[in-house]
Amino acid sequence: SQQGEEDPQALSIQEGENATMNCSYKTSINNLQWYRQNSGRGLVHLILIRSNEREKHSGRLRVTLDTSKKSSSLLITASRAADTASYFCATEGTGRRALTFGSGTRLQVQP
Amino acid sequence: NAGVMQNPRHLVRRRGQEARLRCSPVKGHSHVYWYRQLPEEGLKFMVYLQKENIIDESGMPKERFSAEFPKEGPSILRIQQVVRGDSAAYFCASSPLGTSGTDTQYFGPGTRLTVL
Repeated sequence: SQQGEEDPQALSIQEGENATMNCSYKTSINNLQWYRQNSGRGLVHLILIRSNEREKHSGRLRVTLDTSKKSSSLLITASRAADTASYFCATEGTGRRALTFGSGTRLQVQP
Repeated sequence: NAGVMQNPRHLVRRRGQEARLRCSPVKGHSHVYWYRQLPEEGLKFMVYLQKENIIDESGMPKERFSAEFPKEGPSILRIQQVVRGDSAAYFCASSPLGTSGTDTQYFGPGTRLTVL
């Protein structure tokens, strides 16, 4: 089955609340990346976390990586309506450059 | 500082025709990747190319699909004799180094192919 499964598939929150999305994967990785995609648009790179890192921050984003559990989480704090989008995790497996994407979490932030 | 450019943005083809999708990487990037996205799904890797070389085509269907990245000009993804199941968004990404671990792939806006 596909590497990089996101949970939940869909999430609806109010503006100002925090949003947490989780990602699980199956094989060894070099890094894990999170991307955002607005409906019908391209992907925007959000953050990359290497396999030897445990936590990374970028603005309102916080990413954690637990290689023992093969899982990652993306936290968006103080969400805004403009954060409404689909969020994908993607893993770069060891020995490969290809990214393996999950099926995404659709986030809806209500104003 | 232009990002990854893809054209056309939308392409309509009838069954049996050929589709040619173009990708110009970020200036200075010599590594190009093609991915396909079906509706409501994540992206699926197709092929990874460097200038004049195919590095990894493990995600490319064996028939009808081909890709190239010539010394000069954009990368081309060609789909011959298209079928309805080829309808999808095709995304190109580029990276500067091709080294694993910290090399970010930057994505273009995609080409949305519709096969009638």
